[in-house]
Amino acid sequence: EVQLLESGGGLVQPGGSLRLSCAASGLTFSTYAMNWVRQAPGKGLEWVSGISGSGAITFFADSVKGRFTISRDNSKSTLYLQMNSLRAEDTAVYYCAKAVLDFFGVVKIDYYYMDVWGTGTTVTVSS
Amino acid sequence: EIVLTQSPGTLSLSPGERATLSCRASQSFSSSYLAWYQQKRGQAPRLLIYGSSSRATGIPDRFSGSGSGTDFTLTISRLEPEDFAVYYCQYYGRSPFTFGPGTKVDIK
Repeated sequence: EVQLLESGGGLVQPGGSLRLSCAASGLTFSTYAMNWVRQAPGKGLEWVSGISGSGAITFFADSVKGRFTISRDNSKSTLYLQMNSLRAEDTAVYYCAKAVLDFFGVVKIDYYYMDVWGTGTTVTVSS
Repeated sequence: EIVLTQSPGTLSLSPGERATLSCRASQSFSSSYLAWYQQKRGQAPRLLIYGSSSRATGIPDRFSGSGSGTDFTLTISRLEPEDFAVYYCQYYGRSPFTFGPGTKVDIK
């Protein structure tokens, strides 16, 4: 069974930094692209960032571009989200979610929808 | 960027009734790139449908998806008590992989 466990959330002041981690188990981690998705209190889902299995390709929502960095350590089966210059509007539950892999013949294709989700870690940006 | 709009915002129905949820996109895209999720209060989302109409593993066949171009639909044929939740559509063809604002299905 694939499991994802986020950690690293907490209370941080505006302008501060935080690094989230997501430990994965039950899968060959390096095979799969991964995502971060967040949900502000009482609001809907917002896709934040995605990264390919190798880590070579990354994607960001405009709302976090230039402030957040996504990375992964495949030897540790761990995904990271480095969040800098945090704002009040970054307050949310942050979910780690696995993307889907498929093949077109021998060509590997990553589809950035999410078939496995973690339970989330809460980030609060407040003074 | 593709913007997704979901309607209605809230759908009030009784168990056993049929639910029809709409997801409309700001521009046309392949039906291969539309997913639906269910989220219950206090829980992480769960994948229901991908590729507009393919059910994810373990999803009951009362859930079905359809659509093309800019208009997509999630149908729950007969609502069970556990189906009352919030439902989101998501586009995943090209970054940014946006979500719609959600439709809440609550008990009438």
